Amino acid sequence: GQQLNQSPQSMFIQEGEDVSMNCTSSSIFNTWLWYKQDPGEGPVLLIALYKAGELTSNGRLTAQFGITRKDSFLNISASIPSDVGIYFCAGRGINTGTASKLTFGTGTRLQVTL
Amino acid sequence: EAGVAQSPRYKIIEKRQSVAFWCNPISGHATLYWYQQILGQGPKLLIQFQNNGVVDDSQLPKDRFSAERLKGVDSTLKIQPAKLEDSAVYLCASSSALQGYNEKLFFGSGTQLSVL
Repeated sequence: GQQLNQSPQSMFIQEGEDVSMNCTSSSIFNTWLWYKQDPGEGPVLLIALYKAGELTSNGRLTAQFGITRKDSFLNISASIPSDVGIYFCAGRGINTGTASKLTFGTGTRLQVTL
Repeated sequence: EAGVAQSPRYKIIEKRQSVAFWCNPISGHATLYWYQQILGQGPKLLIQFQNNGVVDDSQLPKDRFSAERLKGVDSTLKIQPAKLEDSAVYLCASSSALQGYNEKLFFGSGTQLSVL
């Protein structure tokens, strides 16, 4: 089945630093989504991408849909303590009977120190 | 707008017991999902409903898991009998769009299940 690998698995950064994380797939996706999950809560949608090469921002967050359609990137600028959490990428495949099924990555745990 | 509601928030049971989780999706959302999230992993789809019909249950362990959405609104997920490896957070999600590339899922807070 489809697999999504996220890197890094975890990262410690200082407040104010920029953060980059990425997600790679073994197959092509036609949609990429980025979610953030706080402890004890469900994932919350941050950014949705629908076209190869698309670059979309949401405040301090910017995500890109890779040209190969097998990867996506998330950047967070000027991190703040509330950015702490687990970031998941999710992809939706094409040309399958369950085309709408989302496959989630393994997550990147972000910790921000003052 | 109210979000996806789930209950209970936490459940502790012994192996071989049964347990049920409840989900109320966002009003008007026709599509409902149950996901299993094991500690340290991303959510994994168990079952998808479109109104009261099952769209995809290919990853549901049907020998012990069952789910229903009788009136196309609320849904329950049941495990009987539970095993140690069922310890996880069970997330419910809903969306308004029919299956399509631009469908966006909204998640509830989940039920954390511990099987002892």
